[in-house]
Amino acid sequence: GDSVTQMEGPVTLSEEAFLTINCTYTATGYPSLFWYVQYPGEGLQLLLKATKADDKGSNKGFEATYRKETTSFHLEKGSVQVSDSAVYFCALSLIQGAQKLVFGQGTRLTINP
Amino acid sequence: EAGVVQSPRYKIIEKKQPVAFWCNPISGHNTLYWYLQNLGQGPELLIRYENEEAVDDSQLPKDRFSAERLKGVDSTLKIQPAELGDSAVYLCASSYRNKEQYFGPGTRLTVT
Repeated sequence: GDSVTQMEGPVTLSEEAFLTINCTYTATGYPSLFWYVQYPGEGLQLLLKATKADDKGSNKGFEATYRKETTSFHLEKGSVQVSDSAVYFCALSLIQGAQKLVFGQGTRLTINP
Repeated sequence: EAGVVQSPRYKIIEKKQPVAFWCNPISGHNTLYWYLQNLGQGPELLIRYENEEAVDDSQLPKDRFSAERLKGVDSTLKIQPAELGDSAVYLCASSYRNKEQYFGPGTRLTVT
């Protein structure tokens, strides 16, 4: 079935470090891909998305590129801040838009000052 | 704009007891979702409503779980009877016409 695999966490970095969180997917069709972020005590929020191969989603300094050939959608940020500490979820949807999301297991990110 | 509202935020019950969670979606959002999030895992869809109709409930354990969305607005998810393995966070989300899903803060259930 369709699935998403994220790199194991937790991830701990120092402020201003470079961030990569790996995400790969398995899908029977041509999915849309998403990154969601969950701050402590809050609901999941859409961080960025991409709907076709080679699309780059970006928001708040984060970016991810839809790589169909490697079935990947890795999340990157050039210089992380303490406020980026959260749990990050990669997800796919095979229905137009975001109707049926399949999530990865999440990666907890902690940024130390 | 008010976000998705869920209540209660926390619930502790003994096994075999019933429990209900309530969700109020964003005004105007016709699609409502209930997700189950186990500790250290991503959310998993339990049921999706389009207005009043449950259009995808394939992952809902119907022997003990039930849901309703009367009048196509608020929704209630019920578990009866609860089991120890039901301890998790129950998330509600809503969206408008296949666009972005907006998530509530969730209800954390502990079954003892």
